[in-house]
Amino acid sequence: ETGVTQSPTHLIKTRGQQVTLRCSSQSGHNTVSWYQQALGQGPQFIFQYYREEENGRGNFPPRFSGLQFPNYSSELNVNALELDDSALYLCASSLAAGQGPYGYTFGSGTRLTVV
Amino acid sequence: ELKVEQNPLFLSMQEGKNYTIYCNYSTTSDRLYWYRQDPGKSLESLFVLLSNGAVKQEGRLMASLDTKARLSTLHITAAVHDLSATYFCAVRTGGSQGNLIFGKGTKLSVKP
Repeated sequence: ETGVTQSPTHLIKTRGQQVTLRCSSQSGHNTVSWYQQALGQGPQFIFQYYREEENGRGNFPPRFSGLQFPNYSSELNVNALELDDSALYLCASSLAAGQGPYGYTFGSGTRLTVV
Repeated sequence: ELKVEQNPLFLSMQEGKNYTIYCNYSTTSDRLYWYRQDPGKSLESLFVLLSNGAVKQEGRLMASLDTKARLSTLHITAAVHDLSATYFCAVRTGGSQGNLIFGKGTKLSVKP
């Protein structure tokens, strides 16, 4: 059974650029959630995808968008990067709405630095 | 709006001592999670608590849940240096969305 894989692990971008982060979900999981964790803070929910549809969104602007593919992998896209977007981006996979005894499995994260 | 509060936010302990981290949440939820995070790393799942009165133990860590009080505790027994990390509690929101709301985390430092 594979875990959650995220790529790239580290990324440096310039303010105003666009970035795409990728996540492969754990085998058997059909839901992917994305979280942003600023330094010294708890993770903040960005959005969630279930069966290729967005089915929940946190308090993030529209320049944060995503996709889920038929194999349940997912992308997070951020346009017009701002300095405050610098953070660790975590992907979590689960069964729908975190069902099942184990809930959510998190990937190792992508560290995004905006300069 | 569901809010999750942890305390303390910082905890410095001596090896061999016991301590408890508290997690309060503002509205009803059916699941509470505890995670560990080492510096620069992802979240490691420690416990999933599903019902009122649930108690789970793994090694020197024990977690409990009181849904009526909207309170979970993470108790550390005879702390060792390897337990130094940041510990997060997270509560699942209701309905079909079911995303997690995290506390701010408790940074634990265990010193010899």
